Amino acid sequence: AQSVTQLDSQVPVFEEAPVELRCNYSSSVSVYLFWYVQYPNQGLQLLLKYLSGSTLVKGINGFEAEFNKSQTYFHLRKPSVHISDTAEYFCAVRTSGGSYIPTFGRGTSLIVHP
Amino acid sequence: KAGVTQTPRYLIKTRGQQVTLSCSPISGHRSVSWYQQTPGQGLQFLFEYFSETQRNKGNFPGRFSGRQFSNSRSEMNVSTLELGDSALYLCASNDPGANYNEQFFGPGTRLTVL
Repeated sequence: AQSVTQLDSQVPVFEEAPVELRCNYSSSVSVYLFWYVQYPNQGLQLLLKYLSGSTLVKGINGFEAEFNKSQTYFHLRKPSVHISDTAEYFCAVRTSGGSYIPTFGRGTSLIVHP
Repeated sequence: KAGVTQTPRYLIKTRGQQVTLSCSPISGHRSVSWYQQTPGQGLQFLFEYFSETQRNKGNFPGRFSGRQFSNSRSEMNVSTLELGDSALYLCASNDPGANYNEQFFGPGTRLTVL
């Protein structure tokens, strides 16, 4: 079975500063990894995904993520955040050959201050 | 294409009652999954339906049930409501032809049990 841990429940940051949201996973087999964003009173929206290939994945809204297989992490980064990035961010993992259902982390609340 | 829609958006019930939530997937998507989101437990998978059959099931009591219709619309039912059932219920659909690598979420139904 796979599992995912988001190491920070809340990350406060000032506008235009860089940010990193951390996600560690565990699985005995190959995985697919995802980051979703949830704005207030909305559902989840896919930011980016890693399926194979380059370990640096670029997504929407200027976000990118680094996949590290040896250290089993998939950290999300943005070089300069905006007030509108304030939201809940979820990391998810699913095994490449198993159930299609992903396992979600508990979420990280990104709070961008002016 | 229209996105995933969920009705109603908000619902208030009392303990012991039952409730039915509805989800209409994106046109052409035959897989519909349901999740319960709470501050304490995060996103927890309830069940997945594909072509009117339940294909995957999470670890929830039998009070939680669902079904899918021939047009892929899905309903979930919770009987004998408990205070702990208060949550945001999210529905997600995806397209088997896209390798199940992205789930498209609806805005959710906020259920409050008094």
